Amino acid sequence: NAGVTQTPKFQVLKTGQSMTLQCAQDMNHNSMYWYRQDPGMGLRLIYYSASEGTTDKGEVPNGYNVSRLNKREFSLRLESAAPSQTSVYFCASCLGTPLHFGNGTRLTVT
Amino acid sequence: GQQVMQIPQYQHVQEGEDFTTYCNSSTTLSNIQWYKQRPGGHPVFLIQLVKSGEVKKQKRLTFQFGEAKKNSSLHITATQTTDVGTYFCAGPVYNQGGKLIFGQGTELSVKP
Repeated sequence: NAGVTQTPKFQVLKTGQSMTLQCAQDMNHNSMYWYRQDPGMGLRLIYYSASEGTTDKGEVPNGYNVSRLNKREFSLRLESAAPSQTSVYFCASCLGTPLHFGNGTRLTVT
Repeated sequence: GQQVMQIPQYQHVQEGEDFTTYCNSSTTLSNIQWYKQRPGGHPVFLIQLVKSGEVKKQKRLTFQFGEAKKNSSLHITATQTTDVGTYFCAGPVYNQGGKLIFGQGTELSVKP
């Protein structure tokens, strides 16, 4: 039982490059989340998915897209990375409460 | 939009001193959750409070939910070095299903 698995753990991108952050959970949770964490800003919700095939914007969705193709996986895509997207990204899942977080992806955009 | 604010942002204490972090929401919350993130780690769930005026204890940690269900606090008695980390409160967004928004967190450092 791996819980919530995020890949990659680290990534460096140049401005304008694209990439997809992967997240998978094996707990049969319905809800999945993407948060970004920046110093002094806490955890800010990017996108949320209540169930397979549904997604909803969070507090800071601009510059991101998501895909929830099945119950297990919820991916986050940066189409054209910007330095402002340098952050630590956490995926989380739940069946009600509590949230279970992955180990995070540290992304640097130069 | 709905906001969850947390103070202080940082707290430095001597081991053995007490610590409190406060959480305030701009709207009434159906519940409030607390998470702890160790340095370099990911947030881990501590507790959920649901009832107005609820108080829960976990060993040296005491959690309170305000009467109006808009504020909460976490108090640690006699801090230890193992308490180091960032403490977050989180509340569901009103009328938006399972969306959960977090406060900015309080980073606790403990000097031995």
